[in-house]
Amino acid sequence: DTGVSQNPRHKITKRGQNVTFRCDPISEHNRLYWYRQTLGQGPEFLTYFQNEAQLEKSRLLSDRFSAERPKGSFSTLEIQRTEQGDSAMYLCASSLAIILQGSDTQYFGPGTRLTVL
Amino acid sequence: TQLLEQSPQFLSIQEGENLTVYCNSSSVFSSLQWYRQEPGEGPVLLVTVVTGGEVKKLKRLTFQFGDARKDSSLHITAAQPGDTGLYLCALQRGYGQNFVFGPGTRLSVLP
Repeated sequence: DTGVSQNPRHKITKRGQNVTFRCDPISEHNRLYWYRQTLGQGPEFLTYFQNEAQLEKSRLLSDRFSAERPKGSFSTLEIQRTEQGDSAMYLCASSLAIILQGSDTQYFGPGTRLTVL
Repeated sequence: TQLLEQSPQFLSIQEGENLTVYCNSSSVFSSLQWYRQEPGEGPVLLVTVVTGGEVKKLKRLTFQFGDARKDSSLHITAAQPGDTGLYLCALQRGYGQNFVFGPGTRLSVLP
């Protein structure tokens, strides 16, 4: 399977604990996106990388959230001191952005469902 | 303020019926994508439209991008239970910018 993979698929944690999620994008995709989705809503943009550079971060993202893509391949999203409001599906997507193409197509992973008790 | 609106929010129809769902924005955008998402899974891309007035067909699905590039519609002919899911539209305001998703239309096709 050469699609986007995410681990773990499910995470249950207690309030105040730290959690880390991993995303492995499609090989050679230069862009990687993180989204959060709550029940009944569309995905909400969190941040994205072009290669290893984090180019944009949502203003809605608190400083408890941090993301890395150290070698321009896989990425991790860490949430520190989790709160019940962090409970959501965390989605990762990757794309191959080509300047002359004008837009890029995202391919999503299956997501990590976080439950904060 | 919701940048992207989708209507209807929910739709329940019988197998074999036709339906249209809509995606509207107050802003012009460079491209728009439609996705279908099933419970517990990530969205799956259906189509990308980039040109105003563009129409794309994918089997029983017809996608239209408005002339002013501020709205789009998805029409499904002879809906089947396998079409059940959350239909999401997402816009990209320009190359290199992030994507903004609408809240989705939840479709249920009953056998």
